[in-house]
Amino acid sequence: GESVGLHLPTLSVQEGDNSIINCAYSNSASDYFIWYKQESGKGPQFIIDIRSNMDKRQGQRVTVLLNKTVKHLSLQIAATQPGDSAVYFCAENTFFRSQGNLIFGKGTKLSVKP
Amino acid sequence: DTEVTQTPKHLVMGMTNKKSLKCEQHMGHRAMYWYKQKAKKPPELMFVYSYEKLSINESVPSRFSPECPNSSLLNLHLHALQPEDSALYLCASSKTRASYGYTFGSGTRLTVV
Repeated sequence: GESVGLHLPTLSVQEGDNSIINCAYSNSASDYFIWYKQESGKGPQFIIDIRSNMDKRQGQRVTVLLNKTVKHLSLQIAATQPGDSAVYFCAENTFFRSQGNLIFGKGTKLSVKP
Repeated sequence: DTEVTQTPKHLVMGMTNKKSLKCEQHMGHRAMYWYKQKAKKPPELMFVYSYEKLSINESVPSRFSPECPNSSLLNLHLHALQPEDSALYLCASSKTRASYGYTFGSGTRLTVV
């Protein structure tokens, strides 16, 4: 299940199950969104991205859904594996007049039980 | 080469020390970034360089001094830091500031004692 407290929100899933990680973004002008995976002691690693003119994009075992009406982004991981255990960040960018900066959301820790 | 390389990986420094963090990429990217990441928090943007010129300074204290000597290198000079500056410092690059995707390095874990 998912827990939110004083620390990083954590999602615990069983190996083989599907995972859904959610993110709320704040800037309605954002037109590009990325999901990053960060393993302990490493930098963020690109997983999948989506532009604001789309509402769904699929990759290998991952799907990103974008709901601009409620400013919500989700990452779905199919058949979650122990190697998927990490912290997942959504990030948003705005390219209006090329003034964009990549801004990160709060992050969710995914823990996969074998 | 599709990597951003950061050195050192770990750094312990005293509050009166002067040290530098180094970031290097050979992908021909012309935008480079410094982010600061505290434990269990998202990365926060500090500086943006575009074509070797400082484009953004997100109200970072002057004890952090960035430098971009050429298109492949980005340095962060540190002086008179405080213990609360202890964090993971991440470097990233992109083709230009108008590019969507950033490539991140593995970071330098900084401890100020």
